Amino acid sequence: AQSVSQHNHHVILSEAASLELGCNYSYGGTVNLFWYVQYPGQHLQLLLKYFSGDPLVKGIKGFEAEFIKSKFSFNLRKPSVQWSDTAEYFCAVGQAGTALIFGKGTTLSVSS
Amino acid sequence: ETGVTQTPRHLVMGMTNKKSLKCEQHLGHNAMYWYKQSAKKPLELMFVYSLEERVENNSVPSRFSPECPNSSHLFLHLHTLQPEDSALYLCASSQDPGQASGNTIYFGEGSWLTVV
Repeated sequence: AQSVSQHNHHVILSEAASLELGCNYSYGGTVNLFWYVQYPGQHLQLLLKYFSGDPLVKGIKGFEAEFIKSKFSFNLRKPSVQWSDTAEYFCAVGQAGTALIFGKGTTLSVSS
Repeated sequence: ETGVTQTPRHLVMGMTNKKSLKCEQHLGHNAMYWYKQSAKKPLELMFVYSLEERVENNSVPSRFSPECPNSSHLFLHLHTLQPEDSALYLCASSQDPGQASGNTIYFGEGSWLTVV
């Protein structure tokens, strides 16, 4: 069965630390890849997405993600986190003709 | 404001009650979804509608009954739920139901459901 794995359940960082959240998927073939973020008390919103072209994708608020096809990965990165990045982060994968499948999510806590 | 509005935001219901969750999207999208978000579990896709027709149903128990009267509205009718059904129910919409063009899904703020 198709699945999406986020290996870090809870990440705790200090402000200015670098962030990398892992995401791996088990699909074969062409995939579309997404990172969504859910800030406390807010709705899920798109952070960035990849569906073709440059495998290094830049999103909002200084986030980026790199699609590595050989590793079936789409890790999220940010060089220097801020307190306002405290949120839950979801990786999602989709293919043509199917709806998105989400990972379990990673909670990021940033201390000031 | 996401363009996807859900009501009620919070709902407490007994196991014998019948209630409904409502979703409305103002984005002109053709596809609408219900997702279930439980603690420590992935977001679970429940139903997908495309132009008011159900196109995907991920083995959801019959105590959850969706209704899509038009492309802007989606309901989730709830009947004889169990305590383990307590969760955040998210409505979402996108231009198309599939991922052929990588179209983005837009989520509502969710309806918190507690079954007692």
